[in-house]
This record gives sequence, C-alpha cells and structure tokens, in this order.
Amino acid sequence: DSGVTQTPKHLITATGQRVTLRCSPRSGDLSVYWYQQSLDQGLQFLIQYYNGEERAKGNILERFSAQQFPDLHSELNLSSLELGDSALYFCASSVSGTSGNEQFFGPGTRLTVL
Amino acid sequence: EDQVTQSPEALRLQEGESSSLNCSYTVSGLRGLFWYRQDPGKGPEFLFTLYSAGEEKEKERLKATLTKKESFLHITAPKPEDSATYLCAVQAEGRYGNKLVFGAGTILRVKS
Repeated sequence: DSGVTQTPKHLITATGQRVTLRCSPRSGDLSVYWYQQSLDQGLQFLIQYYNGEERAKGNILERFSAQQFPDLHSELNLSSLELGDSALYFCASSVSGTSGNEQFFGPGTRLTVL
Repeated sequence: EDQVTQSPEALRLQEGESSSLNCSYTVSGLRGLFWYRQDPGKGPEFLFTLYSAGEEKEKERLKATLTKKESFLHITAPKPEDSATYLCAVQAEGRYGNKLVFGAGTILRVKS
C-alpha cells in the first residue's frame, strides 16, 4: 500500500458525459501528479500540482482539467468524454516538487466510456 | 525530446533462471532514473531510484545499475511471484515540474 488513495476504483459512463476522479496523496506529500495509462500509449503524464498550484502540464486535453485543494487532495475532471478516453488514470504523489523525488502511485481509476 | 526504450518487450524465465532487463534512455540532464513494478490492473510500485552513472541498488532478488545511456534490472534466481511488468522512467532537468517519462515496460513471466 503506497498511501495514495483514489476513488472511485471503476467508472463506467457514456460518451459526452463528465466525470470527476479523486486523489488523496500520502501524508506529508505536497506534489500530486496525474497519469493516463492506455494499452497503446503506455503511461503518459498529464499534469502536476504542487501545494495547490499547477506546476507542469503534459499532453493533457483541453477537455480535461484538474485542481489541488487546500487539504492537498486533487481532482481530475474529464468532460465531453469520448471512447478513446477509456483508460486507467493514476494519481501519484511526492514529498516536494523538486527533481529526483520518488513518486508513489495510487491504485488507479479504471474509466470505461461506452 | 526525452525517450525511454525498454527491452525485451516480454521475457519468460524458469524459476531460478537469472536474467536482465534493459532500459535505454535519451534525456537532457538526467535528474533520476526510476524502476517500478506493476501488477495487472494495479498502480506502479516503486522499486529503485538511481541518480548517477555507476550507481547500483539492491532489493531482495533485484539489482538495478545505471550507466550514462542505460540501466539494467538484474533478477537473480527469480520466483513466480516476481512475475509482473517492470517499468523504467526518467526524470529530466527542467525549469518547471518533474514529470516522469516512462518506457513501455517489460512483461516478465516466471514459471515454476
């Protein structure tokens, strides 16, 4: 158990809908990262927050947005869902926002868009 | 652009048959190379961090090494419970953020 929690575990929804994925980092960690894992793309970085502020962005679609709240939990919002958004979404956390820190991953949310 | 290539894509071993997994990387300013283990449908589990060429780290039957262009994950006398996908990732020098760039992984199957 990494100490990172994610809810829900599974999400099944229809095209065009909007969903919210939730992540609680390990106790004491200030940075939260979101990754997407699909069969054809592997693990891809989406976005990083550090202590409530956006720190870095990857190839995150404009339909996707995220935020980190004062209690350091984070939410990833996915809207206007398409079939291709079906994937595993992982949250990770690290102690700080500096390079070289290990990132610890949560169990993931499996999103299925029908 | 930062790139990570892992080989082989898949590896089948008999219990006790030692082998190595390879991770080749191209990155400007390596800040860290990370190894993770991932079981099907689960989140990646952190194994090792390597920071500079020549560094080695060990944990049970696993040993990770780093050169300037690649890293190896050596598995000594593997057991069936070592079966998993092993992921390599790099963290590069950058003005903002410290994202991980992952390789596609090596799927390891150990048969008893």
